[in-house]
Amino acid sequence: AQSVAQPEDQVNVAEGNPLTVKCTYSVSGNPYLFWYVQYPNRGLQFLLKYITGDNLVKGSYGFEAEFNKSQTSFHLKKPSALVSDSALYFCAVRFPEAGTALIFGKGTTLSVSS
Amino acid sequence: GAVVSQHPSWVICKSGTSVKIECRSLDFQATTMFWYRQFPKQSLMLMATSNEGSKATYEQGVEKDKFLINHASLTLSTLTVTSAHPEDSSFYICSAPPPSGRYNEQFFGPGTRLTVL
Repeated sequence: AQSVAQPEDQVNVAEGNPLTVKCTYSVSGNPYLFWYVQYPNRGLQFLLKYITGDNLVKGSYGFEAEFNKSQTSFHLKKPSALVSDSALYFCAVRFPEAGTALIFGKGTTLSVSS
Repeated sequence: GAVVSQHPSWVICKSGTSVKIECRSLDFQATTMFWYRQFPKQSLMLMATSNEGSKATYEQGVEKDKFLINHASLTLSTLTVTSAHPEDSSFYICSAPPPSGRYNEQFFGPGTRLTVL
C-alpha cells in the first residue's frame, strides 16, 4: 500500500538550534515529494518539493529537505529554528500522473521554545 | 501567485440541514480540484476529486449522496454536505493544481470549519 509516515507526533527544539522533522514514504515508482506547513485554523502553505535532480532542495522560510532514495526518506530540516516556526508540518507525496491528489502523512507538530 | 479561496471560512448549522462550501481559484483556471477533510490534530484525508464538466471521483468510503460535489466552472467547485450530522463536523479544505505544469505543487484554500450541532 502507498503510504507516507511521519514517525513523530511532536518535535520540540529550542530557538536557534537545528531542527529535523522526519518523513518516510512507501510508494512504488518515483513519486514527487512535498512539505507543507499549517498554522492553526489555516490552510496549508507550500514549503518545498522534490521532483528530480539535486537531492537537497531548499524552500521557503529557510527550510530544506534531503531526498534519500535508498532510505525512502525526505526529512525536513532547518539550521536554526525560530519560535515562529512552531506549527503543524505535513509531508506529502503524489504520483507523476497528472490530476492526482496528494497523499499526506499524519503531521508533526513542531514546537520551538524561546 | 496562484490563490485559492473558500467560503465560508466557518459555519455552524443544525443537524439535518445542508451546507454548501465554495472553492474558487482566483487567478487561474482549474479543471481539477480536490476536497479534503481534516479532523483535529489529524492528517488531511482526500474525499474526492472534482472535475469540471464531469462527475466527481470519490474516495472509497466517502458517501456520494452525502457529499455532493459540483464543478460548475473552471474557477468554482462546491461541496454540499447534505443532511449534516455532528459527526460531519470537521475542517474541509480544497486544493487545485495551478495550470503552469503538472509537476507543480497544489495550492490550498484556507479551509472551512463546519460545526454541526
